Amino acid sequence: TQLLEQSPQFLSIQEGENLTVYCNSSSVFSSLQWYRQEPGEGPVLLVTVVTGGEVKKLKRLTFQFGDARKDSSLHITAAQPGDTGLYLCAGAALATNFGNEKLTFGTGTRLTIIP
Amino acid sequence: EAQVTQNPRYLITVTGKKLTVTCSQNMNHEYMSWYRQDPGLGLRQIYYSMNVEVTDKGDVPEGYKVSRKEKRNFPLILESPSPNQTSLYFCASSFYVGVQETQYFGPGTRLLVL
Repeated sequence: TQLLEQSPQFLSIQEGENLTVYCNSSSVFSSLQWYRQEPGEGPVLLVTVVTGGEVKKLKRLTFQFGDARKDSSLHITAAQPGDTGLYLCAGAALATNFGNEKLTFGTGTRLTIIP
Repeated sequence: EAQVTQNPRYLITVTGKKLTVTCSQNMNHEYMSWYRQDPGLGLRQIYYSMNVEVTDKGDVPEGYKVSRKEKRNFPLILESPSPNQTSLYFCASSFYVGVQETQYFGPGTRLLVL
């Protein structure tokens, strides 16, 4: 089973500060997704990165896929209270059956932005 | 509205009492899966289904059963629940699992097994 370690596990910062969350693995993934989950709800997809070294921006959020496609980072600029939530990365790799890919989720980073 | 629904949302039961958590999607998705979420462990896949009558084990299938008789429904069955199955459960669906495919998650079912 491929493992995805996220760090930090918990992060609490003041509104307006910048932060980076990391997602690391020893395995190579064909693509990597980032989800945000709010209390009482299921995860919601934020972005998918596919190419090694790829950078995608979603307003104040910047996502990067590592050159070797084993790791990824999420950087938030000028964090807002609305950014509070659980952030999950998920790597896609070929499953053993049917040729379809399987998603493996990371351990999660719980982010709290203090107003 | 495109959505994945789960029922019940909350469930308290006792060890050994069979239970079923239902999952339904209205997006005509082929791929459906069940996950459990535990603190510090992230989301772990229990079972998945590529299409009707096609199911396979995920990473943590022990103690669970599933069925896929219709495309829209994918119930999770705990024949004899045990306290270590206390968790938050999510059903998800997508057209398939592949590059850039979005998985849509249900709202979750919080299960407590006493």
